[in-house]
Amino acid sequence: GAGVSQSPSNKVTEKGKDVELRCDPISGHTALYWYRQSLGQGLEFLIYFQGNSAPDKSGLPSDRFSAERTGGSVSTLTIQRTQQEDSAVYLCASSLGPVGFGANVLTFGAGSRLTVL
Amino acid sequence: GDSVTQMEGPVTLSEEAFLTINCTYTATGYPSLFWYVQYPGEGLQLLLKATKADDKGSNKGFEATYRKETTSFHLEKGSVQVSDSAVYFCALPGGNAGNMLTFGGGTRLMVKP
Repeated sequence: GAGVSQSPSNKVTEKGKDVELRCDPISGHTALYWYRQSLGQGLEFLIYFQGNSAPDKSGLPSDRFSAERTGGSVSTLTIQRTQQEDSAVYLCASSLGPVGFGANVLTFGAGSRLTVL
Repeated sequence: GDSVTQMEGPVTLSEEAFLTINCTYTATGYPSLFWYVQYPGEGLQLLLKATKADDKGSNKGFEATYRKETTSFHLEKGSVQVSDSAVYFCALPGGNAGNMLTFGGGTRLMVKP
C-alpha cells in the first residue's frame, strides 16, 4: 500500500481482556517495528522484524506481549490479560531495511490508541 | 548504549519567531541522525536527516547540522507558522545491532498567531 496501515485506530477494553493490534506495512519493506507511546512519554521500542530472521524482542515489557509477522508482511501485536498501564498509542513502522544502514528511514502508521479500563 | 537527549517542552512561540530545539547525542562512532515530527492526531513522519558529520539536513524550512565537536543536532527554523505546532523527536540508530531508532523524549511546539 501507499503507507503503513494500522487497525483498529482506537480500542477500549476491560482489564484482563486480550487485544490484537494489526499492522500492514508498505509493500516491499522488509523491516517492521512496533513502538509504544504512553501519555507524555517518548517512544518505547517493543519489537523488530527483519525479513525471515528471528525478531528482536528485547523491548517487550513482559511476557503478556507478543507479536508475529506472517509471510513477511502483516504483523499482529497481541497483549494478553491487559492492565491499565498498557494504555498507550501503539505505533507500527516499516522500512526497506534496518535503519542503521544506508539511507533507510522509518515510515510510521497513524497508530492504535489502546485504553484499558 | 547510544542515546539522544532533547530539550523538554512545551515551547511556545509567536508566529514568525525563530525556533531552536536542542538535541545532543551519545554514540560510539558517527551514526545517522534524524528529526521526526508528529502533528496532532497523526503518526510520526520524517522531517529531516543527516548521515555524516557536518552534513546539514533541511526540509520545510527546518534545518539541523550534524556537529560532532559538540555532539549536537539542533533543529532550527527562521520563522515558524501556526501549522508547525507539533511534537518533534530527535533520533539515532540504537539497539542490539543499531537496527532500530532510539528516540528522545519529544519536544512539543505551540505556535500562536
